[in-house]
Amino acid sequence: QSALTQPASVSGSPGQSVTISCTGTSSDVGTYQFVSWYQQHPGKAPRLMIYEVNRRPSGISNRFSGSKSGSTASLTISGLQTEDEAEYYCCSFAGSNIFYVFGTGTKVTV
Amino acid sequence: QLLLKESGPGLLEPSETLSLTCSVSGGSIGSSEYYWGWTRQPPGKGLEWIGTVYYSGNTFSNPSLRSRVTISVDTSKNQFSLKLRSVTAADTAVYYCVRQATSGWPFDYWGQGTLVTVSS
Repeated sequence: QSALTQPASVSGSPGQSVTISCTGTSSDVGTYQFVSWYQQHPGKAPRLMIYEVNRRPSGISNRFSGSKSGSTASLTISGLQTEDEAEYYCCSFAGSNIFYVFGTGTKVTV
Repeated sequence: QLLLKESGPGLLEPSETLSLTCSVSGGSIGSSEYYWGWTRQPPGKGLEWIGTVYYSGNTFSNPSLRSRVTISVDTSKNQFSLKLRSVTAADTAVYYCVRQATSGWPFDYWGQGTLVTVSS
């Protein structure tokens, strides 16, 4: 099972919006609503930002939003802030043999 | 506040068995609402899911590691554990223990991670 495909990097100025794509297949993103997104600052553990495609855990800013179309999921960060600069990973459920597959990761630069 | 903390040896030689324990505080590992799992991240690389265990002992794991992985749970100690047999340099990584909600199965809580290096 290959990793989900994400762009290596995206960048934006403070206050702008950026969107990170996460491309899978009909065996994972294309079939299941169980797509999640994680933020990871250098040297830190990942943090859950979005789950079930577009749901935010308690305490996560509404500047973070998720969506999905076909086999591609997306994370949008609006009103970019300097603290949003981090690596972002998507993850999808991929059925009862593979279970979970992560994306390749995207470095967001503000 | 739920806290997860990994513990175990940080240096192994090739062919040895990696053994890590995750101690959970601030919540019960015996809850039917959550799964408990392991992920890893090689230095400078992306995340990889290793496997997951339910309080009942039911487990499921990454097919690429399945033949070498054992994950178990000890509800009396509020801990769960990972064993990875026959390690090689490719298993060098930061290992994280995680909690997964049964709804949607996101990895919603993470331990701080522990670096395990495999080297002769």
